[in-house]
Amino acid sequence: ETGVTQTPRHLVMGMTNKKSLKCEQHLGHNAMYWYKQSAKKPLELMFVYNFKEQTENNSVPSRFSPECPNSSHLFLHLHTLQPEDSALYLCASSQDGSGANVLTFGAGSRLTVL
Amino acid sequence: GQNIDQPTEMTATEGAIVQINCTYQTSGFNGLFWYQQHAGEAPTFLSYNVLDGLEEKGRFSSFLSRSKGYSYLLLKELQMKDSASYLCAVMDSNYQLIWGAGTKLIIKP
Repeated sequence: ETGVTQTPRHLVMGMTNKKSLKCEQHLGHNAMYWYKQSAKKPLELMFVYNFKEQTENNSVPSRFSPECPNSSHLFLHLHTLQPEDSALYLCASSQDGSGANVLTFGAGSRLTVL
Repeated sequence: GQNIDQPTEMTATEGAIVQINCTYQTSGFNGLFWYQQHAGEAPTFLSYNVLDGLEEKGRFSSFLSRSKGYSYLLLKELQMKDSASYLCAVMDSNYQLIWGAGTKLIIKP
């Protein structure tokens, strides 16, 4: 596969569940990102990893926990979420985390919290 | 604060031309991006402008005026497949991307 692949594409979970979102890229990129996309709102940057090191955490609640085991894989671990966390979660990658790099996005994981 | 403004929704006719505007107020400027996002799909890169002027790429063109804090995306010879959301994003002085809320473009036959 090429590009950025996200699984699952759709996820419904209760507020007490624990689940994980997975992102994989085969582009040889060194930076990976998690974004939250809510209807009619700008993309919200959540986390950035550059060469496997977390370089950005935009005041994201601790119920979201990222993990980057290598430059090709990124996870977002979810626990005790709130209904307002329902959104599309987009993963992206870029050549590296510096400068004006073009982002390559995955198709997203649509999360619904009941 | 930093802000990107673009229209929420626009409607145009197949075969016509449409211009999607984006105005910005940011702390510094290191370029402006346009991305296209079809419903249920990944945003995909369309253009990057860092100098003033018009950049043409097939049916799509992007314009930038840094002094006015203004950009537009021009789509010519509209096709039904151009129905999508168009996202404007500005890179500020810290190379942080500031995103607009996106413009949903509806193409009618």
